[in-house]
Amino acid sequence: AQSVTQPDIHITVSEGASLELRCNYSYGATPYLFWYVQSPGQGLQLLLKYFSGDTLVQGIKGFEAEFKRSQSSFNLRKPSVHWSDAAEYFCAVVNAGGTSYGKLTFGQGTILTVHP
Amino acid sequence: DAGVTQSPTHLIKTRGQQVTLRCSPISGHKSVSWYQQVLGQGPQFIFQYYEKEERGRGNFPDRFSARQFPNYSSELNVNALLLGDSALYLCASSFEGIGYTFGSGTRLTVV
Repeated sequence: AQSVTQPDIHITVSEGASLELRCNYSYGATPYLFWYVQSPGQGLQLLLKYFSGDTLVQGIKGFEAEFKRSQSSFNLRKPSVHWSDAAEYFCAVVNAGGTSYGKLTFGQGTILTVHP
Repeated sequence: DAGVTQSPTHLIKTRGQQVTLRCSPISGHKSVSWYQQVLGQGPQFIFQYYEKEERGRGNFPDRFSARQFPNYSSELNVNALLLGDSALYLCASSFEGIGYTFGSGTRLTVV
């Protein structure tokens, strides 16, 4: 069964500092991967997605993520964090075949706190 | 263009009652999925519908049911509510069934 692990439950960074959020996945075939962001009490906003091709993908709000098949990882990065980036971030993998086609499996999330 | 719309935004129900949550997908999207997000956890898959047919079901009891209408909108029904059903219920729509856009959710509180 597919699974996603986000090892860091809570990360605190200073405004202007760089950021890397970790994500490891388990999936039997080529994965389709996503990063979503969620502000308190809100729905999920898609930051970026990887389906195939270039392993470094660019997203909205200055975020990027790198797919590394050898490490089963899809880490999210941002070179300079803004206070408005404080939120919860979820990594997800989608089932692209068989039963439950299109089912997203999410990690437990990483809460990002930004200090001024 | 309107995004995924969910109604109501908030709901309070009593244990044992039944609830219906509604979702309107983005225009042209034929796939709708439902997720439950308990506080402090990632969303958990409940159902997916594509072209009015159930395509997938998560590990939820039979108290949970859903349907998709000819206009691709969807309803999620939960019967015999338990305190543990308190959560944010998210609807997501997709054109092809892979990349999803989420609504803002319905916050259900069971007392």
